[in-house]
Amino acid sequence: GDSVTQMEGPVTLSEEAFLTINCTYTATGYPSLFWYVQYPGEGLQLLLKATKADDKGSNKGFEATYRKETTSFHLEKGSVQVSDSAVYFCALSPRGGNNRKLIWGLGTSLAVNP
Amino acid sequence: DGGITQSPKYLFRKEGQNVTLSCEQNLNHDAMYWYRQDPGQGLRLIYYSQIVNDFQKGDIAEGYSVSREKKESFPLTVTSAQKNPTAFYLCASAEGYEQYFGPGTRLTVT
Repeated sequence: GDSVTQMEGPVTLSEEAFLTINCTYTATGYPSLFWYVQYPGEGLQLLLKATKADDKGSNKGFEATYRKETTSFHLEKGSVQVSDSAVYFCALSPRGGNNRKLIWGLGTSLAVNP
Repeated sequence: DGGITQSPKYLFRKEGQNVTLSCEQNLNHDAMYWYRQDPGQGLRLIYYSQIVNDFQKGDIAEGYSVSREKKESFPLTVTSAQKNPTAFYLCASAEGYEQYFGPGTRLTVT
């Protein structure tokens, strides 16, 4: 079945460091891909998305490119801030079907130190 | 101001009691979802509903019940049959595949 695999955390970086959080997926067809962010004690917020191969989603300095050839959707940011400390979730929505469920990765915790 | 509200933010109950968590949305979304979040386990789907008066079990429905009598509301009841109910519960609604989340309710059962 469809699945999402994220790199394990926690990831600890210093402020202004470069961030990569890896996400790979298994799916039939061409799913849509999402990154969500969860700040401490809060619900999840959609960070960015991509709906077809080679699309790049971007928001708040974060970027991710939908790579069909490597079935990946890695999250990157050139210079992280303390305020980026959160848990990041990769998710996919399978093509076809009618239940609109998302398939979730386990989440990657990011801590940014000043 | 559109969004999803969950109440209360913190809830404490004694073992053996049923408890109902509220979820309300004013986004006019047809689909709504309940997730459970435990440390290190990501999000697990409890129940979801694609339309009023209809809902389906998710991956961990045992010990939980829901209703969907109104489009805006999708309450979750944690029954005494749920063996390990202490967790963070998240409600979401969806337009297409894009899900919008509430702030969550942290339930503690002792």
